[in-house]
Amino acid sequence: QKEVEQNSGPLSVPEGAIASLNCTYSDRGSQSFFWYRQYSGKSPELIMSIYSNGDKEDGRFTAQLNKASQYVSLLIRDSQPSDSATYLCAVTRDNYGQNFVFGPGTRLSVLP
Amino acid sequence: DAGVTQSPTHLIKTRGQHVTLRCSPISGHKSVSWYQQVLGQGPQFIFQYYEKEERGRGNFPDRFSARQFPNYSSELNVNALLLGDSALYLCASSLEPVRGYTFGSGTRLTVV
Repeated sequence: QKEVEQNSGPLSVPEGAIASLNCTYSDRGSQSFFWYRQYSGKSPELIMSIYSNGDKEDGRFTAQLNKASQYVSLLIRDSQPSDSATYLCAVTRDNYGQNFVFGPGTRLSVLP
Repeated sequence: DAGVTQSPTHLIKTRGQHVTLRCSPISGHKSVSWYQQVLGQGPQFIFQYYEKEERGRGNFPDRFSARQFPNYSSELNVNALLLGDSALYLCASSLEPVRGYTFGSGTRLTVV
């Protein structure tokens, strides 16, 4: 079982729709959870972090965490073509932020 | 403010050679991590340094080594290069690692 799993996609949504990206992790000791966006040929960019169960909203983005189910998700409201990218889920179990474990990423395509 | 800077941006090496990749963190960031990203996969953790001490090491062979200097810049060394070492090498820095990392634009290494 891989430590962090994501559907590779591509996930295609029409412009203006809600995109839902999912991530599961195997290490129950994981403490911190992150979503990164990576445009083709570019480096990852941090868009959200979440540490406790529940929802965290930042603009059009909402991260959801359920530690009991070992599940973290990212919702993108009012999706735009500029949101088309690969979204990487990352988790870490320690308080020093060592050893971020990344998932393989989900490729999102927002269709105009 | 300057972001995380990496040099060189691209590099072509021959099997068996040695390579040194360099990274300058964001000013004030004392934690630096290195990741390897193969096309189509998420970044894989190689090393983390904090205050010039190695705090974490991923599952990479001893051919990979790194260090952090007093000014918090870092270098990643890879000996006896293999074709499989061809990848994007990402450096990331953080003020508070548990809050996430900022990535540099990476060094694209091609081993022929």
